[in-house]
Amino acid sequence: KAGVTQTPRYLIKTRGQQVTLSCSPISGHRSVSWYQQTPGQGLQFLFEYFSETQRNKGNFPGRFSGRQFSNSRSEMNVSTLELGDSALYLCASSLAGVNEQFFGPGTRLTVL
Amino acid sequence: GENVEQHPSTLSVQEGDSAVIKCTYSDSASNYFPWYKQELGKGPQLIIDIRSNVGEKKDQRIAVTLNKTAKHFSLHITETQPEDSAVYFCAAGGGSYIPTFGRGTSLIVHP
Repeated sequence: KAGVTQTPRYLIKTRGQQVTLSCSPISGHRSVSWYQQTPGQGLQFLFEYFSETQRNKGNFPGRFSGRQFSNSRSEMNVSTLELGDSALYLCASSLAGVNEQFFGPGTRLTVL
Repeated sequence: GENVEQHPSTLSVQEGDSAVIKCTYSDSASNYFPWYKQELGKGPQLIIDIRSNVGEKKDQRIAVTLNKTAKHFSLHITETQPEDSAVYFCAAGGGSYIPTFGRGTSLIVHP
């Protein structure tokens, strides 16, 4: 069974731009969560989507948004990029009603 | 909300030694405690997990123990090998809420 895939793997943007990251969960997984990982803050939860609805949300500004499609694929968008948004963005999927999360390899975003 | 503390932040051992990483949590409602291993350039990989109705769980060279009363849980790796070198994260969660992660432990196994 294929694992969680994320595209692109690497991205370089400049301040003020916006970016869209994509995540394809493991087949059959309907829950997709997004995390931001930085050396200083560790793994910070952004939001979780289940059946196209945002079910949980972390403490991030409104510049961070996401959505989920009917095939469970998910995208997250960051608008008006800031230098501090440079991070590894991780997506994790899980079966409905099950706690185990499986992570993708991440998208490394660099904001210049 | 949940708060997870993880220690140590760095752990250096000789090949063949044991390694222990400890975590504490604050929310007594947490009932699911996973451990992840993250190698350079990769996403975290679930290596073992434990639920609050179990005190200990083993899988070959790794084991996890849970003390619900004290709200702490630990990861034990025996007979460490160089390929065990990675960053290890604990997390606490369960029910309908997303796990909260510890800050990570960088394990270095010297050959």
